[in-house]
Amino acid sequence: KAGVTQTPRYLIKTRGQQVTLSCSPISGHRSVSWYQQTPGQGLQFLFEYFSETQRNKGNFPGRFSGRQFSNSRSEMNVSTLELGDSALYLCASSSLTTGGTEAFFGQGTRLTVV
Amino acid sequence: GNSVTQMEGPVTLSEEAFLTINCTYTATGYPSLFWYVQYPGEGLQLLLKATKADDKGSNKGFEATYRKETTSFHLEKGSVQVSDSAVYFCALIPTGGGNKLTFGTGTQLKVEL
Repeated sequence: KAGVTQTPRYLIKTRGQQVTLSCSPISGHRSVSWYQQTPGQGLQFLFEYFSETQRNKGNFPGRFSGRQFSNSRSEMNVSTLELGDSALYLCASSSLTTGGTEAFFGQGTRLTVV
Repeated sequence: GNSVTQMEGPVTLSEEAFLTINCTYTATGYPSLFWYVQYPGEGLQLLLKATKADDKGSNKGFEATYRKETTSFHLEKGSVQVSDSAVYFCALIPTGGGNKLTFGTGTQLKVEL
């Protein structure tokens, strides 16, 4: 069974640009969550999608957005990039709708903003 | 709001030493509790979990018990190996919180020969 796949693994962008990251969940998983990991702020929740609907949202500005497709694949977009957006972005997929289940994480996309 | 507090690292131990990483939480109701591990250059892997008070999660020699009275979920291992060197994260999902994980800051463990 294939794991969670995130593409690309590494990305370098310039301030002011926008970026789209992709996440393919484990087959059959309908919940996809996104997290930002930085040395200063640690792991912070961005948003969760379930069956193409955003179910939870973290405290990030509107420049951060996401969506989920009918095949459960998800994308997140960051517009008008800032240096502080440099981080490891992690995607996680889960099979059930409620808490307590296991979240399977991808290897992440390392975004560097210069 | 919900929060997780775990001990600062790095924690450096000799192989076969006993490990404890403290974790306490703040949340209403009965959250589900987790320990995740992150190896260098990798994403997070679930190490163990507990979904109700007094539950003990265990995996690969690691254990943690859900203590409602002390709001704690300390991670323990009786004999660590060099291969256990990684960053360990305590996390919770509150009751009715979907799959939104709240993480602690992480504790880096270094195990030396």
